[in-house]
Amino acid sequence: EAQVTQNPRYLITVTGKKLTVTCSQNMNHEYMSWYRQDPGLGLRQIYYSMNVEVTDKGDVPEGYKVSRKEKRNFPLILESPSPNQTSLYFCASSSTGGTTQHFGDGTRLSIL
Amino acid sequence: GIQVEQSPPDLILQEGANSTLRCNFSDSVNNLQWFHQNPWGQLINLFYIPSGTKQNGRLSATTVATERYSLLYISSSQTTDSGVYFCAVYTGGFKTIFGAGTRLFVKA
Repeated sequence: EAQVTQNPRYLITVTGKKLTVTCSQNMNHEYMSWYRQDPGLGLRQIYYSMNVEVTDKGDVPEGYKVSRKEKRNFPLILESPSPNQTSLYFCASSSTGGTTQHFGDGTRLSIL
Repeated sequence: GIQVEQSPPDLILQEGANSTLRCNFSDSVNNLQWFHQNPWGQLINLFYIPSGTKQNGRLSATTVATERYSLLYISSSQTTDSGVYFCAVYTGGFKTIFGAGTRLFVKA
């Protein structure tokens, strides 16, 4: 089954404790992206990747890092999480940029 | 950057009613997609529609790229249609911009 898998689905943690949210897709897609969703703001793009080792900033990249060492994986790293990063996070992939994006089920992060 | 505006922000319907959701965008875009976020938070692809009209059951969508808007039509609404509807536009730089969404509640 074609899917985008995010882990964990839920996480409560504390300020400053490094965390990684993993994202994996099994569709051999070149393009992957991370978004955060906050009430009243819709989804905002954090980072995206056009292919292995090629990444670029979205609209809200501050406080986040990404890497794309393998085509199927695109982890999101919060080196020193802060409470303003409490949000619902989505990973997405598509065959190329600008085509139909397929989303994971989301990761709800709470940073205390 | 490109601005994406969705209207109305909130909509309450009686089951069986029809509705039209609108997405306006401020500049030329490469493509446009409509999503439904269900009450469990999952984002479901509805339409990938850079231009023209598409239909899928009770849902249809029309994008008029030259006039910078897209419409999502829901006919004979059902309670399972409740949730938030988003449009997303894709710019030439591989960026994606989402609208703030239309929150729909369908009453039984």
